Amino acid sequence: GAVVSQHPSWVICKSGTSVKIECRSLDFQATTMFWYRQFPKQSLMLMATSNEGSKATYEQGVEKDKFLINHASLTLSTLTVTSAHPEDSSFYICSAREQGAMEKLFFGSGTQLSVL
Amino acid sequence: KQEVTQIPAALSVPEGENLVLNCSFTDSAIYNLQWFRQDPGKGLTSLLLIQSSQREQTSGRLNASLDKSSGRSTLYIAASQPGDSATYLCAVSHSGNTPLVFGKGTRLSVIA
Repeated sequence: GAVVSQHPSWVICKSGTSVKIECRSLDFQATTMFWYRQFPKQSLMLMATSNEGSKATYEQGVEKDKFLINHASLTLSTLTVTSAHPEDSSFYICSAREQGAMEKLFFGSGTQLSVL
Repeated sequence: KQEVTQIPAALSVPEGENLVLNCSFTDSAIYNLQWFRQDPGKGLTSLLLIQSSQREQTSGRLNASLDKSSGRSTLYIAASQPGDSATYLCAVSHSGNTPLVFGKGTRLSVIA
């Protein structure tokens, strides 16, 4: 089956630094990738939708200048948390939809971000 | 705006029991519904996907049903095992191009 690789699995950083999370589709081309955030015991909340070669679409309340998304190729999307603060500590997870396949979404393994 | 609710929030059962997890959604105009499993600190594993035109899907000990008109889905787990302990998430989409809307999940503990 399709595999989505997400790195790193966990990261600890100091407040004010930037953190980049990568999401790769390993055996398929993903025209669309979604980025979610999940707080403890809460549901996954959609942050943004990224389409290859175009600007990401952000959900209401998500700061696009803080959460930079780049989807430069059909197999890679990155999320950069800029000037991270403790309230950004969360579990971030990406998902990808295979080009031409409009049904199942495949999820990465997630990144646990802890900002000190 | 679509809202997905899962009941119960947590469930603890002895090994071997059959159990049912419930999911409801407010907007019945869905494209499909998926059930996922999430282990602590891990990503999501897709368990079952039901198209809006389907009534149920089965995979091994898992059976998911969909009643689109009433906005409900159930996930039935037969002969539960300790390895089934995880959080189970229900999610719906409105088209092939839209992202999923998730419920908060049901945390299942199966006790040996």
